[in-house]
Amino acid sequence: GAVVSQHPSRVICKSGTSVKIECRSLDFQATTMFWYRQFPKQSLMLMATSNEGSKATYEQGVEKDKFLINHASLTLSTLTVTSAHPEDSSFYICSASNPAYEQYFGPGTRLTVT
Amino acid sequence: GNSVTQMEGPVTLSEEAFLTINCTYTATGYPSLFWYVQYPGEGLQLLLKATKADDKGSNKGFEATYRKETTSFHLEKGSVQVSDSAVYFCALSDLQAGTALIFGKGTTLSVSS
Repeated sequence: GAVVSQHPSRVICKSGTSVKIECRSLDFQATTMFWYRQFPKQSLMLMATSNEGSKATYEQGVEKDKFLINHASLTLSTLTVTSAHPEDSSFYICSASNPAYEQYFGPGTRLTVT
Repeated sequence: GNSVTQMEGPVTLSEEAFLTINCTYTATGYPSLFWYVQYPGEGLQLLLKATKADDKGSNKGFEATYRKETTSFHLEKGSVQVSDSAVYFCALSDLQAGTALIFGKGTTLSVSS
């Protein structure tokens, strides 16, 4: 089946630093990738839709200058949390859409900002 | 717009009990419906799906039938195990390019031995 990886799985960073999270589709080409954020005991909140070779589309309320998304190839999208603060601590999950528009999820990245 | 409503949890069951987690949806057109499972500290795994009315998705003993007349996609399992303890999310998608899944709020299932 389709596999999506995320790296790193866990990251701890200091307040004010930037963190990059990678999302890769390992065995299929993903024209579209999605980034979600999940708070404890809550559902997934869509942050942005990332299309290869074009600018990401951000959901209302998501700061595009803070959460930089780059979809450089058909198998890689990155989310960079810039100038991270403790309130950015969360579980970030990506998904990749295959040519049949089915979505497969990465295992998630736990970000802790101290 | 499209939306998904699933029953509030947590659901607490004893091993071998019957499980039902209700899910209803609102959508224009004919979406595909999904159940995802999330184990503690992990990402989401696709559990089962159905792409058209009256389709039944099944996997690992779980089943759900796409009911267009009641706009429902209830998840069932005849005999739960401790290892089924997780959070279950109902979701829909119109399977178009650039369209994200729409999730319900999730239902936590806790199974005790």
